[in-house]
Amino acid sequence: DAGITQSPRHKVTETGTPVTLRCHQTENHRYMYWYRQDPGHGLRLIHYSYGVKDTDKGEVSDGYSVSRSKTEDFLLTLESATSSQTSVYFCAISPGQGTNIQYFGAGTRLSVL
Amino acid sequence: GESVGLHLPTLSVQEGDNSIINCAYSNSASDYFIWYKQESGKGPQFIIDIRSNMDKRQGQRVTVLLNKTVKHLSLQIAATQPGDSAVYFCADPTGTASKLTFGTGTRLQVTL
Repeated sequence: DAGITQSPRHKVTETGTPVTLRCHQTENHRYMYWYRQDPGHGLRLIHYSYGVKDTDKGEVSDGYSVSRSKTEDFLLTLESATSSQTSVYFCAISPGQGTNIQYFGAGTRLSVL
Repeated sequence: GESVGLHLPTLSVQEGDNSIINCAYSNSASDYFIWYKQESGKGPQFIIDIRSNMDKRQGQRVTVLLNKTVKHLSLQIAATQPGDSAVYFCADPTGTASKLTFGTGTRLQVTL
């Protein structure tokens, strides 16, 4: 998976609890992205980062926050998880610099009960 | 708004036959498209890309055709194999951060 590690791979949590998902890359790529994938919706962008401490919202950012303190790590936090956030979450990276291809991690399956 | 969509949610083909997966887009300014393959339980995997200055691009057993007049592209897989069974997405990068817009995907089922 192109030097991308997502952790945890599976998580079950309860409504109202905070959850943090981690994406770690070894490619030194500038751009990192968080997507969620739900049946019938394909992949939808939550947040993305274009550098250390530089992040921006995607189309489904409500209820999520992100942080990028190092090039290699991009964290996605659900401050207070809800059942509607049950999904599969994918991290992706891209070098930029004229290359638009994004490379995806293996995903994290999150269940909020 | 801009969208990238896919015809036919499921495509069933026999092993050895050729597969054609279609994709329509609405933004006439789109100039670059990427095809991904996603196997069950895995993340999307890059297959092939095409820029709008090309009508056709070939890879290993795959060909992508782009028709800008009707805003349509297709992914052709030659001699489809069981390992080709997956969901296929076309995606359209936008903006300086190359944010991808995905369709819901086409599931390719290969029958023996």
